[in-house]
Amino acid sequence: DGGITQSPKYLFRKEGQNVTLSCEQNLNHDAMYWYRQDPGQGLRLIYYSQIVNDFQKGDIAEGYSVSREKKESFPLTVTSAQKNPTAFYLCASSMGLALEQYFGPGTRLTVT
Amino acid sequence: AQTVTQSQPEMSVQEAETVTLSCTYDTSENNYYLFWYKQPPSRQMILVIRQEAYKQQNATENRFSVNFQKAAKSFSLKISDSQLGDTAMYFCAFMKPRYSGNTPLVFGKGTRLSVIA
Repeated sequence: DGGITQSPKYLFRKEGQNVTLSCEQNLNHDAMYWYRQDPGQGLRLIYYSQIVNDFQKGDIAEGYSVSREKKESFPLTVTSAQKNPTAFYLCASSMGLALEQYFGPGTRLTVT
Repeated sequence: AQTVTQSQPEMSVQEAETVTLSCTYDTSENNYYLFWYKQPPSRQMILVIRQEAYKQQNATENRFSVNFQKAAKSFSLKISDSQLGDTAMYFCAFMKPRYSGNTPLVFGKGTRLSVIA
């Protein structure tokens, strides 16, 4: 089955530690995206990538980093510089000029 | 920058009734795309419906339809014959087309819809 997978579903970390969230897609989509969702805030864009080895900052990129070494994978690292990392993180992908973005199931990150 | 506003944080509707969720947006673009996404308690985002701004005809998907008013920059979602499974957060989203590649979505803050038996 084609789709987007995010792992793990729940992630717990101590403050000051970097943590990497996984996002993999087998839809052969060119573009991938990371969003953060907080209660009452909707979804906010962190980073996106249109092609391999290229990515752009979104609205709230500070404290986050990404890589796009393979078409299928777009991992997100939440660094210790992110002041309020506890949130629900959603990964999405889309094909070329097609418009629909398909979303993964999300990862709930809790930092204490 | 584009903005999307959903003025109704929460709504409820009786099962089998009709409900309309509001969305307004601000843009200087003439060509663009609008979407409604649904996020049920599982938190999986699901595309409900999309509308191209150059199309005058309102999009329809089964029980879901939109009222697209381009001049007013309004894009409301109507759910007919509401079902318990329609209970979810609903997000309105805007996308400006960039023909050389993809562009991200700009989301509203969402409307929480509860369908009551």
